[in-house]
This record gives sequence, structure tokens and C-alpha cells, in this order.
Amino acid sequence: DADVTQTPRNRITKTGKRIMLECSQTKGHDRMYWYRQDPGLGLRLIYYSFDVKDINKGEISDGYSVSRQAQAKFSLSLESAIPNQTALYFCATSEGGGGNQPQHFGDGTRLSIL
Amino acid sequence: AQKVTQAQTEISVVEKEDVTLDCVYETRDTTYYLFWYKQPPSGELVFLIRRNSFDEQNEISGRYSWNFQKSTSSFNFTITASQVVDSAVYFCALYGFQKLVFGTGTRLLVSP
Repeated sequence: DADVTQTPRNRITKTGKRIMLECSQTKGHDRMYWYRQDPGLGLRLIYYSFDVKDINKGEISDGYSVSRQAQAKFSLSLESAIPNQTALYFCATSEGGGGNQPQHFGDGTRLSIL
Repeated sequence: AQKVTQAQTEISVVEKEDVTLDCVYETRDTTYYLFWYKQPPSGELVFLIRRNSFDEQNEISGRYSWNFQKSTSSFNFTITASQVVDSAVYFCALYGFQKLVFGTGTRLLVSP
């Protein structure tokens, strides 16, 4: 089983719909992250969490919200999806003690908003 | 501001050729970390290496090697005797000021 699991793997939905992407991990890491990947732009950080009570905005948080339900679970929500949120979304985890630890990524969720 | 530049958008080589992927970074942090990740066609991101700013020793791992030069703010990645399985997008990333910033990636195509 994968250490970092994202569900769903693919999703097609319509503009205005609320969408939740889920991430769970078995690595026991404290830190979790959500990124989006767009062609030619690399990965950009949406939100991150250093523990269950900690939530921080990343570079591009507008239009997104997150919930850290447990150490192992970190979900990303799009309250009212719009077409320019079509992208590949990644969840990642890392050990605590410093952000210099390698981040370990899930397999990604490909989201298409029509 | 921190920035990672991967100027090579796409590189095509024939199997067994050596190839170098360039990475240039900008940061004002005195302690920082550099990473390389691989994204194969299947889409997942695979961690390859981490290097801290105090360690300029080059590293070799099988056919992979990394050259870190603070004087030129570069952290280049060389694949020796490339193989078709090396075809992927490679990302360089910089951690400093509590943030991890990715470059835009270099797509490597290795043909038989």
C-alpha cells in the first residue's frame, strides 16, 4: 500500500460544484502539504499543516480551504470550483523538526472542471 | 524572494548519451537545502536527493550525479549512459525561509 494515498485519482466536475480531495498517510509524519501542478509552472503550494492544530496558507490559497482531521488526514476543498482550478493536485508529507526534510508525495489527483 | 530556474524546458537524447539538467537558484537565506525530484510518465513525484548549503561535495549514486556550486548558485544533475526509463520530468527545488520552492521542471526524453 502507498504511504501517501490520495482520493480520488481522477475527477471531472462542473463549475460551481464543491469538491473535496482527500489525503491520508501511513508514514507517521507531522507535516502535510497540498500543491497544484500546472503545465510549465511546476508545483505551487496551496496550504500546509505542521500538526493537527496548525494550518497555514501557501502561495495560492485563494479559492481553496483545508481541514486536518487527524495527524494522518489532510483534505483540500474547492468551495465553488472554477475552470482555472483544473490541474494536477498533490498531497505531500514530511517529518517534523525542519522543513528541510524531503517531502514524500502521493500519486496525485487529476481534477478537471468544466 | 526565493527562485529556482530550470532553463531547459525539454531535452531529447538517445539512449547511452550523458545528459546534464541545469538548476540555478536564488536565495538570501544562509542555510538552505536543495532537492531533485523525478516525475515519470505515470505522474508520481519521486525524491532523488537533498543537499544542504554547507555541503558542496558532489554526490554520485549509480548513473546519477549531482554538482553543487555555491559560487554559481547551481545544483546540476547529470545522468550518465541514459536509459529509456530515465524519461521523465525532473524538478529542482529549494528550501529556505521555511518554504519549498520548485522550478518549472525539465522534461527529459530518452529514445532507444
